[in-house]
Amino acid sequence: DVKVTQSSRYLVKRTGEKVFLECVQDMDHENMFWYRQDPGLGLRLIYFSYDVKMKEKGDIPEGYSVSREKKERFSLILESASTNQTSMYLCASTLEQGRTEAFFGQGTRLTVV
Amino acid sequence: AQKVTQAQTEISVVEKEDVTLDCVYETRDTTYYLFWYKQPPSGELVFLIRRNSFDEQNEISGRYSWNFQKSTSSFNFTITASQVVDSAVYFCALSPPDKLIFGTGTRLQVFP
Repeated sequence: DVKVTQSSRYLVKRTGEKVFLECVQDMDHENMFWYRQDPGLGLRLIYFSYDVKMKEKGDIPEGYSVSREKKERFSLILESASTNQTSMYLCASTLEQGRTEAFFGQGTRLTVV
Repeated sequence: AQKVTQAQTEISVVEKEDVTLDCVYETRDTTYYLFWYKQPPSGELVFLIRRNSFDEQNEISGRYSWNFQKSTSSFNFTITASQVVDSAVYFCALSPPDKLIFGTGTRLQVFP
């Protein structure tokens, strides 16, 4: 069974903390994505990566960075968490750029207090 | 600009009614893919269908059907004889060569 696994289902962090959200896929996919999902706003793309050590900004990259040291792992980093980053974060991967369906993780609900 | 618009925020129907979820997209790319995903209450997004920009044939899968019209930049999704298990948030997505862009979703509630 193919899988995208996010390290935590729920996280509570304090304002100003550095936060790491981890995502691992076991499908040997080239492309990985981080989205945040907020009510009424749908899924908004934060960053994506189409190869190891490559990264591209999505539509809302401010306040975030990413790391992709290995093909199967894509990490989202909140350098200094703020309350407006409280959200559901979804990781996804695809086999081919633009052509194949995305597989999603179960999501991480992050609350910044 | 690349954009996906799902104008219907929420739709409520009674079981066995037919329902159509609208999706309008914008892109300047000539090659692109369109997708529909379902997000049930459990939260994990599930892929439903993919369509490429060169294939305007309608598709039917059981109670689900999709109507792709390039002339109106629309990719609408119809559920025939809806069931309570169809209750979910449905997302339309556009994939130009490098990204995957989602609409804001339509929440469908099917009441018994």
